[in-house]
Amino acid sequence: KNQVEQSPQSLIILEGKNCTLQCNYTVSPFSNLRWYKQDTGRGPVSLTIMTFSENTKSNGRYTATLDADTKQSSLHITASQLSDSASYICVVSAGDYKLSFGAGTTVTVRA
Amino acid sequence: NAGVMQNPRHLVRRRGQEARLRCSPMKGHSHVYWYRQLPEEGLKFMVYLQKENIIDESGMPKERFSAEFPKEGPSILRIQQVVRGDSAAYFCASSSAGGTNMGNEQFFGPGTRLTVL
Repeated sequence: KNQVEQSPQSLIILEGKNCTLQCNYTVSPFSNLRWYKQDTGRGPVSLTIMTFSENTKSNGRYTATLDADTKQSSLHITASQLSDSASYICVVSAGDYKLSFGAGTTVTVRA
Repeated sequence: NAGVMQNPRHLVRRRGQEARLRCSPMKGHSHVYWYRQLPEEGLKFMVYLQKENIIDESGMPKERFSAEFPKEGPSILRIQQVVRGDSAAYFCASSSAGGTNMGNEQFFGPGTRLTVL
């Protein structure tokens, strides 16, 4: 069964600090992995996408890593801002239209 | 270029009533996907449609739920005789082609939050 596990479930950080979110998956075959940001009451918005041949991808202050051998990914947020408060979702694709979603990590940034 | 539109954003129904959720895909997109999100859980695939065709409805309950994507107009997710367990956020996504390779990204709407009293 394709599964995506994220940790931690939630975290609180002070504005300006860094944090790292984890994603482990068992999806097979593997096509690509995306990190999404979902603001409260909104739909998910893509931050990064990586295929098996890519091990790092940046989008501004967001940097995602991928280890296809261990089936692990991380999302690092640098110099957090209040607007980074959201749920971050790891999504893995086996190549077809069915996406496997993690439950998300809720990040709260406090001033 | 407007993104994926969903309406209503919030819908309250009493048990036994019908719920109709609408989704207008991004301009130029002919592939629509519906997902359900329960609290503290990830999005779960329900159904995949192209214009006038249901491609895959394996994630949708066989009773009370139906979906359509007519030649003209938005895609509709219909839930008949709603029960409290149907309370969830329902998201629609669209893509320009099928599959989830790099060029076929699914873009998500803001969701409809259904509350069944």
